[in-house]
Amino acid sequence: QVQLQQSGPGLVKPSQTLSLTCAISGDSVSSNSAAWNWIRQSPSRGLEWLGRTYYRSKWYNDYAVSVKSRITINPDTSKNQFSLQLNSVTPEDTAVYYCARHGGDLRFDPWGQGTLVTVSS
Amino acid sequence: QSALTQPPSASGSPGQSVTISCTGTSSDVGGYNYVSWYQQHPGKAPKLMIYEVSKRPSGVPDRFSGSKSGNTASLTVSGLQAEDEADYYCSSYAGSNNFAYVFGTGTKVTVL
Repeated sequence: QVQLQQSGPGLVKPSQTLSLTCAISGDSVSSNSAAWNWIRQSPSRGLEWLGRTYYRSKWYNDYAVSVKSRITINPDTSKNQFSLQLNSVTPEDTAVYYCARHGGDLRFDPWGQGTLVTVSS
Repeated sequence: QSALTQPPSASGSPGQSVTISCTGTSSDVGGYNYVSWYQQHPGKAPKLMIYEVSKRPSGVPDRFSGSKSGNTASLTVSGLQAEDEADYYCSSYAGSNNFAYVFGTGTKVTVL
């Protein structure tokens, strides 16, 4: 059974970098059949897919157009986890951030527990 | 990509059925069979209920069913139970040249 456990700060100052980590158990970040995603949810923007990382003989990333210039998702094979970095945050980036797995059927399952990140000085 | 359109609310009495619509375009819902539905209780992460339009993951009751016609997908909950009261979100693959994924605006289901 795959489980995802998120960690990271809940408060980030404007213009700084938001950093979160998602630890994987029951699967491998290097799996050839899975992709590892970050999704956020806010009252103003609803659910928003941010990006993913996946391994198919080499590492690939896809990012949402809305955050493409500010986002980095990296795998960490030594710790079997992946991370999210979002640069130059503003209060509009305040949201609950989730990590999630998808396979070839593009279903997001499972999800991490969610992390409320508030952007405020 | 724009969010998929769902009605803000839906309701039904215990034992009744409720159907939620999810309207997109030919670039997302209408173009692919990668439509999923998620249930979210307050303060919890979304839970997968339906994937690939009409498939149910193991453990999801067969009271939940999905379908699609053209650019509109639907989720039906039959035999409503109190624990079905939650927010429901649809989602769809929306990529063509680049991978993209779009979610619906969400529907609050109330069990009367």
